[in-house]
Amino acid sequence: LAKTTQPISMDSYEGQEVNITCSHNNIATNDYITWYQQFPSQGPRFIIQGYKTKVTNEVASLFIPADRKSSTLSLPRVSLSDTAVYYCLVGDGDSSYKLIFGSGTRLLVRP
Amino acid sequence: DAGVTQSPTHLIKTRGQQVTLRCSPKSGHDTVSWYQQALGQGPQFIFQYYEEEERQRGNFPDRFSGHQFPNYSSELNVNALLLGDSALYLCASSLAISPRGTNEKLFFGSGTQLSVL
Repeated sequence: LAKTTQPISMDSYEGQEVNITCSHNNIATNDYITWYQQFPSQGPRFIIQGYKTKVTNEVASLFIPADRKSSTLSLPRVSLSDTAVYYCLVGDGDSSYKLIFGSGTRLLVRP
Repeated sequence: DAGVTQSPTHLIKTRGQQVTLRCSPKSGHDTVSWYQQALGQGPQFIFQYYEEEERQRGNFPDRFSGHQFPNYSSELNVNALLLGDSALYLCASSLAISPRGTNEKLFFGSGTQLSVL
């Protein structure tokens, strides 16, 4: 089974850039890497998705090295509202539909 | 355009009872996945439905079953409830555009909080 590893928690301050790294083995050749954000008592919300190199949208950037065994979510200039749990999601290399959430990284943004 | 809606939002049951949770996918989506999220943990994949059939299943016992209707809505049934079934149950919808699930962007509902006493 594919397994992902993320830091359990991270602290930051408003206005800083935050980088969260996810390690993943057995990622399938055709699979994408997706990051989700979750606030308490809500379902996860899609942030960004990528296959390789770098992807950027209006809220984040995603960096994926050539071997694709890890990925880094970059949040520029975080605010208090970015306090949430961030999950790295990859397909299971053995069973493509069995999507595996990582343990999640609890990001706390302080004033 | 309504997103993913789940009902009920909260539910309290006792051990041994049965429960049915409901999910309406985002408009235009044809695939529904169910997840169980225990307190402080990441969501765990239960199963996925596409074209009214279970396409894949996670490591959950047969007490967990589901159904998808022709309008793509879905139900999750759990029989013989255990205390350990207490969790947030999340429904996610997506478009099944490829056999590789990770390429799909999942849209989650707010979940049903199930408490088993």
